[in-house]
Amino acid sequence: AQSVAQPEDQVNVAEGNPLTVKCTYSVSGNPYLFWYVQYPNRGLQFLLKYITGDNLVKGSYGFEAEFNKSQTSFHLKKPSALVSDSALYFCAVRVNTGGFKTIFGAGTRLFVKA
Amino acid sequence: GAVVSQHPSRVICKSGTSVKIECRSLDFQATTMFWYRQFPKKSLMLMATSNEGSKATYEQGVEKDKFLINHASLTLSTLTVTSAHPEDSSFYICSAGTSGSVSTDTQYFGPGTRLTVL
Repeated sequence: AQSVAQPEDQVNVAEGNPLTVKCTYSVSGNPYLFWYVQYPNRGLQFLLKYITGDNLVKGSYGFEAEFNKSQTSFHLKKPSALVSDSALYFCAVRVNTGGFKTIFGAGTRLFVKA
Repeated sequence: GAVVSQHPSRVICKSGTSVKIECRSLDFQATTMFWYRQFPKKSLMLMATSNEGSKATYEQGVEKDKFLINHASLTLSTLTVTSAHPEDSSFYICSAGTSGSVSTDTQYFGPGTRLTVL
């Protein structure tokens, strides 16, 4: 089955430290991978995506993600966390099951402490 | 650009009534829109894919007669929850792509509608 997994329900990091939010996937064919962020009382916002090309993808708000085919991972990273980065992060994969649709991971809540 | 709006943002209704939620792409045309349901502390569950001018494609386990979807124009899709029950209470989110390339397109999400059925 095609799926995406976020193994951590919650990630805690101190402000100024680097952060990593993990994501692994299982798809047939080429993976189209996405990261979204959901702030309280707001809609999901697109951060970045990997379609093809360079394995390191840079996105909004200083976030980046590295596509690792051998490990089937697409971890989200940021060199220096901000308190304002505290939110719910979703990894997603676009799959073709007789029509394209997006499958979302369970989400990881990021807490950045001042 | 790429703004998606939803109306209403919150709705409270009595059990047995129907509720309509609108999803609009404000600055682009959306051939395809998606409707999701999000449970507390859970991920988004795709309910259906809404195609302009044709019938929606529902995911397995989603009752098409209960969740009526209409995509009458390239900027508007509606979700009607018919004969709502308390278990239908949830956060409903729509999304749309900008280019029509459904394989790689970025989806833009509405802010969601909180439905509470009493």
